[in-house]
Amino acid sequence: AQSVSQHNHHVILSEAASLELGCNYSYGGTVNLFWYVQYPGQHLQLLLKYFSGDPLVKGIKGFEAEFIKSKFSFNLRKPSVQWSDTAEYFCAVNAGGNNRLAFGKGNQVVVIP
Amino acid sequence: DTGVSQNPRHKITKRGQNVTFRCDPISEHNRLYWYRQTLGQGPEFLTYFQNEAQLEKSRLLSDRFSAERPKGSFSTLEIQRTEQGDSAMYLCASSLPIGTENTGELFFGEGSRLTVL
Repeated sequence: AQSVSQHNHHVILSEAASLELGCNYSYGGTVNLFWYVQYPGQHLQLLLKYFSGDPLVKGIKGFEAEFIKSKFSFNLRKPSVQWSDTAEYFCAVNAGGNNRLAFGKGNQVVVIP
Repeated sequence: DTGVSQNPRHKITKRGQNVTFRCDPISEHNRLYWYRQTLGQGPEFLTYFQNEAQLEKSRLLSDRFSAERPKGSFSTLEIQRTEQGDSAMYLCASSLPIGTENTGELFFGEGSRLTVL
């Protein structure tokens, strides 16, 4: 079965700091990869996705993620965070023609002004 | 608002009671998913429909849970004889069929939070 691992469940950082959230998945075949974000009191929203092509994917609000197939990783980055980036971030995988997403446990990110 | 709509947003019930949640997906989406999310966890897959057909069910979906999508539009998730362990956020999502224009992205509703006392 697919599994998704996210590390450092709670992250606290100051505005303008850089953010990197790790995501590793266990599946050896073709995958589609996603990062979703959940702002306080809101629904899950897509931040960015990878399905083919350039392994460096750019998403909304200055976020980007890099797919490294050899490491089974899809890490999320933002060079300079803002207070409004306080949210929970989830990595998800759709693998092998499977019809559903498998999610990691999430990273709770708090940005201090 | 043309997003995924869920109701009720909150439900508090006593153990042993039945509850039903409704999900209205984005109109052109033929796939509909139910997920459950508990504190500190990511969403966990429960079941999904393609049109009116329920094509997959998770082992998490015990026999007290039943989901329907009778006309291929809205869906209901019923939990019978609720238990305290059923307390969670129940998320609905919809998507287009996986194909050339869709890579499996799911569009989520705001969820229905269940508290079982």
